[in-house]
Amino acid sequence: DTEVTQTPKHLVMGMTNKKSLKCEQHMGHRAMYWYKQKAKKPPELMFVYSYEKLSINESVPSRFSPECPNSSLLNLHLHALQPEDSALYLCASSQIQGDYYGYTFGSGTRLTVV
Amino acid sequence: EDQVTQSPEALRLQEGESSSLNCSYTVSGLRGLFWYRQDPGKGPEFLFTLYSAGEEKEKERLKATLTKKESFLHITAPKPEDSATYLCAVPSDRGSTLGRLYFGRGTQLTVWP
Repeated sequence: DTEVTQTPKHLVMGMTNKKSLKCEQHMGHRAMYWYKQKAKKPPELMFVYSYEKLSINESVPSRFSPECPNSSLLNLHLHALQPEDSALYLCASSQIQGDYYGYTFGSGTRLTVV
Repeated sequence: EDQVTQSPEALRLQEGESSSLNCSYTVSGLRGLFWYRQDPGKGPEFLFTLYSAGEEKEKERLKATLTKKESFLHITAPKPEDSATYLCAVPSDRGSTLGRLYFGRGTQLTVWP
């Protein structure tokens, strides 16, 4: 299995809703990442988990709350989002943090905040 | 200061018309350079990793090369299905941001029949 699976593929939520994005990989990778990508822009790093511990938080607002329950699973909990948070949210993994063999990305969750 | 710069921003080619995309980088301790293909609304799809100057890798109609300051993605006899945005990325060379990928803005390639 060489895939990163993200669910749901699409999500529409109101500004008062609470929702979660899920990411799963079974490649034995010990580093997992959340990226945010706006239209026509490159992906921007949000969080890095290494061995299930938060390693990097790129000053992301607290309405985004990451969680890594185990080595295969990464969640992103969303609460009280703003319309400007609408974007493609990408999960990625690598063998270790800072790996230079490659990073595998999921297909993303298209989030729309109304 | 941008770590990765890609050019051109957009490229339109007729089917069969070969060309090259450029990626220049400024990180000092290169720990690999990655090329990805991204289709609209999808995640980046891994193409190549290059590690050292002079290295070349090929996959179907694509060939990636690396020098000390830049990389090229050569597309030979492209087909319409090669239309996508091609992203170049390098991992951070700083301990405090280990694991962060610096992406270029991408080259949007359109191949028309």
